Amino acid sequence: DADVTQTPRNRITKTGKRIMLECSQTKGHDRMYWYRQDPGLGLRLIYYSFDVKDINKGEISDGYSVSRQAQAKFSLSLESAIPNQTALYFCATSADTGVPYNEQFFGPGTRLTVL
Amino acid sequence: AQKVTQAQTEISVVEKEDVTLDCVYETRDTTYYLFWYKQPPSGELVFLIRRNSFDEQNEISGRYSWNFQKSTSSFNFTITASQVVDSAVYFCALSEAEAAGNKLTFGGGTRVLVKP
Repeated sequence: DADVTQTPRNRITKTGKRIMLECSQTKGHDRMYWYRQDPGLGLRLIYYSFDVKDINKGEISDGYSVSRQAQAKFSLSLESAIPNQTALYFCATSADTGVPYNEQFFGPGTRLTVL
Repeated sequence: AQKVTQAQTEISVVEKEDVTLDCVYETRDTTYYLFWYKQPPSGELVFLIRRNSFDEQNEISGRYSWNFQKSTSSFNFTITASQVVDSAVYFCALSEAEAAGNKLTFGGGTRVLVKP
C-alpha cells in the first residue's frame, strides 16, 4: 500500500462549490504539505503543518483552508471553488528528526477541474 | 526569498541523443539543498537526487549525471543516450535549511520529449 494517499484522484466540480481534498499517510511523519501544480509554474506551496497544532500559510494560501485532523491526516478545502483553482494538487510528508534535512514524500496527486 | 529558474520549457530530442536540463537558483542561505524530480506522463513525482550546498561533487547514476556549480548557482542535469522512457517533465527544486521547515521551492519544469 502507498505510504501517502490522496482522495479523490480526480474531481470535476462547478464554480462556487465547496470541495475537500484529503491526504492520509502511514509514514508516521509529523510534517505535511499541500502543493498545487500549474503548467509552467512548477509546484507551489499552499499550506504546511509541522504537527496537529501548527499550521502555516505557504506561498499561495488565498482561497484555501486546511485541517489537520490527526497526525496522519491533512485536508485541503476550497470554500468556494473558482476556475483558476483548476490544477494538480499534491500532498507531501516529511519527518521531523532534527537532522539537517528530512526528505519529502509525495502522494500521487489529485487532478481538480473547476468548471 | 528563494527562487528556482528552469529556462527551458520544452526540449525535444531523438533517442540516443544527450540532453542537458538547466537549473539556476537563488537563495540567501549558506545551507540549502537542491533536488531533481521526474514527473512521467502518469503524473506522480519521482525523486531523482538531492545535493546539499556543501557538496559540489558531480554525481553520475547510470545515464543520469548532475553538475553542481555554486559559483554560478546552477545545478544542471544531463541524460546521456536518451530513451523514450525518459520523456517526462523534470523539476529542479530548492530547500533552505531545517529551520525553514524544509519547504521546497520548485522551478517551472522542463518537458523532455524523446522521439524514437
